[in-house]
Amino acid sequence: GEEVAQTPKHLVRGEGQKAKLYCAPIKGHSYVFWYQQVLKNEFKFLISFQNENVFDETGMPKERFSAKCLPNSPCSLEIQATKLEDSAVYFCASSQGTGDHYTQYFGPGTRLTVL
Amino acid sequence: GESVGLHLPTLSVQEGDNSIINCAYSNSASDYFIWYKQESGKGPQFIIDIRSNMDKRQGQRVTVLLNKTVKHLSLQIAATQPGDSAVYFCAELSYNTDKLIFGTGTRLQVFP
Repeated sequence: GEEVAQTPKHLVRGEGQKAKLYCAPIKGHSYVFWYQQVLKNEFKFLISFQNENVFDETGMPKERFSAKCLPNSPCSLEIQATKLEDSAVYFCASSQGTGDHYTQYFGPGTRLTVL
Repeated sequence: GESVGLHLPTLSVQEGDNSIINCAYSNSASDYFIWYKQESGKGPQFIIDIRSNMDKRQGQRVTVLLNKTVKHLSLQIAATQPGDSAVYFCAELSYNTDKLIFGTGTRLQVFP
């Protein structure tokens, strides 16, 4: 597609439950990025992919967070055993990622509320 | 008490005036800078970008200025319109990491 698509728009989970978020990058983009936005302000980088390969995972809380980008499927971000502090908006972005094509285009986000 | 993150710097301008939004970035080795606009309930929307080998770039009604000496970036919006009301973020990127480092947003409020 011509826009980054994210589902669901909203997700509510009880503390300790699993949450799974999905992202379809712009067609033709090789790079996918996940960011977490808390307090409507701060963005935190989580992980990036080049096609189905992890490119940079330095931002991921590895104990509970995992992500995948498999061929012919939406990318996913999964949080096992959610905690209250995981409440945030999670944005996916994609880019062509090489040469002069570094612009990251963002999806509308998934708002995760952990109760 | 409330988190600092809830209290964004705010710029209030009258419709038709020019707006200047400033940003101090952190990494002198960053290669690429982007301004994003974020409206309530939406994802960041690309506005304009600039590479580290440039000091100015113009788009439609927007201009970005880069001062690498003091690590400062600014976004100028000409003839500001009510539709420009949003939170604006600068972001920096190094080509060897590709991850965006966002600055603190600035809320732009446009009054008729």
